[in-house]
Amino acid sequence: DQQVKQNSPSLSVQEGRISILNCDYTNSMFDYFLWYKKYPAEGPTFLISISSIKDKNEDGRFTVFLNKSAKHLSLHIVPSQPGDSAVYFCAASEGTGTASKLTFGTGTRLQVTL
Amino acid sequence: EPEVTQTPSHQVTQMGQEVILRCVPISNHLYFYWYRQILGQKVEFLVSFYNNEISEKSEIFDDQFSVERPDGSNFTLKIRSTKLEDSAMYFCASSQTSGDPIQETQYFGPGTRLLVL
Repeated sequence: DQQVKQNSPSLSVQEGRISILNCDYTNSMFDYFLWYKKYPAEGPTFLISISSIKDKNEDGRFTVFLNKSAKHLSLHIVPSQPGDSAVYFCAASEGTGTASKLTFGTGTRLQVTL
Repeated sequence: EPEVTQTPSHQVTQMGQEVILRCVPISNHLYFYWYRQILGQKVEFLVSFYNNEISEKSEIFDDQFSVERPDGSNFTLKIRSTKLEDSAMYFCASSQTSGDPIQETQYFGPGTRLLVL
């Protein structure tokens, strides 16, 4: 049951360059999307989110783009820093007004090199 | 900054034993969740809880699992008779309220690593 897919298990980017992490989903009922960052032996840390009524949300170095017709979202990190090295999870939920469960992708391991 | 806390950080148990994993959600949050991540796999939803009752549960959350909010601050996950395949990292999460997607953002604790031998 792969409703949320992150097809790149890993990504290596030089410090200062742009990191682009991609996520695809199949469930058209998803209307809220989130990116979490996870270090080893820690819980997922919320980064940024986007509602399905928007196509872009920006917070500092992090921007999330949503293409509903393609069922695709991406996270851009500019400029990338060594501290950004972690596993990034895309997650989605359907419906507000309830305790909506999150469906996670398998994660992309980002390595930012000096 | 308020955060979700979980105890213990690690738990080793024998197959068939009962375990209780504890969580203290963020204080003004009303929705509580448990997720788990088996090593090498993705984070999976187990159960959500609101107003002292289960809102939704996954097929993983069978009769061996139960959740409880025994007091005003703790939220627990009990596994009655652990199996080898219950070995995983268990994450508690909480969110503030519903109706506004931003306020529904779930914040996760650091996790409890459960190892069943």
